[in-house]
Amino acid sequence: TQLLEQSPQFLSIQEGENLTVYCNSSSVFSSLQWYRQEPGEGPVLLVTVVTGGEVKKLKRLTFQFGDARKDSSLHITAAQPGDTGLYLCAGDQFYFGTGTSLTVIP
Amino acid sequence: GAVVSQHPSRVICKSGTSVKIECRSLDFQATTMFWYRQFPKQSLMLMATSNEGSKATYEQGVEKDKFLINHASLTLSTLTVTSAHPEDSSFYICSAREGVTGELFFGEGSRLTVL
Repeated sequence: TQLLEQSPQFLSIQEGENLTVYCNSSSVFSSLQWYRQEPGEGPVLLVTVVTGGEVKKLKRLTFQFGDARKDSSLHITAAQPGDTGLYLCAGDQFYFGTGTSLTVIP
Repeated sequence: GAVVSQHPSRVICKSGTSVKIECRSLDFQATTMFWYRQFPKQSLMLMATSNEGSKATYEQGVEKDKFLINHASLTLSTLTVTSAHPEDSSFYICSAREGVTGELFFGEGSRLTVL
């Protein structure tokens, strides 16, 4: 099992603030996915990154894949209550990170 | 987009009984499906990889006799929790790999509660 550590594990912020979630591993991955999951539902894919150093933007979300393809970050600008959820990174689609539970307070 | 459906979404059973959870790919053929287990506010733990027409491959520490997986067709995989006990209570999620693109699609999950 290839371990992906996410930090922070829990995050509670006010609406409008910015935040960054980190996903780190000692393993190299061909691709890395970010998912968002709401309680009682399956995870929903946000993005896939495949190239070292790659940056992808999805509205207020910015995803970066580390140069060595071992780590990634998710940055959310001006967080909104609708961003509340469990954010999961996954390596090569199968190996999920430890998760970051985000709560955005109105 | 592609849809993966799980049934039932919630199930409550008595200790000692067996429960079957279905995972269906509704609009694509999935040669490979995956089963995960998730505890509250924790991540998904891969339990097994299910390939159509062959035996499932279980991750280390997952009891194959406890969690029976059958992938009888290209659109259906089932997970049977045998002789369920309260510690088996969890959220079980499946995913299916679309055969052409290789993209993974997740089901909505099934919450099992064993009394």
